[in-house]
Amino acid sequence: DAKTTQPNSMESNEEEPVHLPCNHSTISGTDYIHWYRQLPSQGPEYVIHGLTSNVNNRMASLAIAEDRKSSTLILHRATLRDAAVYYCIRGSNYQLIWGAGTKLIIKP
Amino acid sequence: ETGVTQSPTHLIKTRGQQVTLRCSSQSGHNTVSWYQQALGQGPQFIFQYYREEENGRGNFPPRFSGLQFPNYSSELNVNALELDDSALYLCASSLADRVGSPLHFGNGTRLTVT
Repeated sequence: DAKTTQPNSMESNEEEPVHLPCNHSTISGTDYIHWYRQLPSQGPEYVIHGLTSNVNNRMASLAIAEDRKSSTLILHRATLRDAAVYYCIRGSNYQLIWGAGTKLIIKP
Repeated sequence: ETGVTQSPTHLIKTRGQQVTLRCSSQSGHNTVSWYQQALGQGPQFIFQYYREEENGRGNFPPRFSGLQFPNYSSELNVNALELDDSALYLCASSLADRVGSPLHFGNGTRLTVT
């Protein structure tokens, strides 16, 4: 199965770091790992993507395991606005295969 | 910079009818992808258009078809609507010449088939 595996939901406290795990044990050598998030009543929003090396941007960090079979999205300091469904996706430029994602709940 | 816009935002159709959904790409983007998202699930890839031609398709029947216009805007057409076609339809634009190019999504069209 080409889909990734993520927890159904996670909870975190506001202003604390959040680590969202993802397993993609059958990933191919050319597949990127993409993360998107979706707030209620909105389309998905790009968060970050990477191939082999760890990646950082203004929104988050992406830590990719050396064997590429798993990755972790890191939100360094969660806010209430980060409450969303987070999707970890493997795939080529367009054929992204999405699972059900992780619903992230932020507690004030 | 103008983002991706979709119209209409909501639509109600009857089984057997046909529907056309519209999407305007983000400025400068030459590729459009369409996704179907059922309630509580992740988006499913329908197809992608680049230079006015379909260049990738997911597991959807031929009654799902599309068009891309010279200004890179796009349409999704669904014929012979079925109850299971009720979903949020998402359009996303991107740059085809950048590997791993992020998708920029609109807020979707909510289609209800009765």
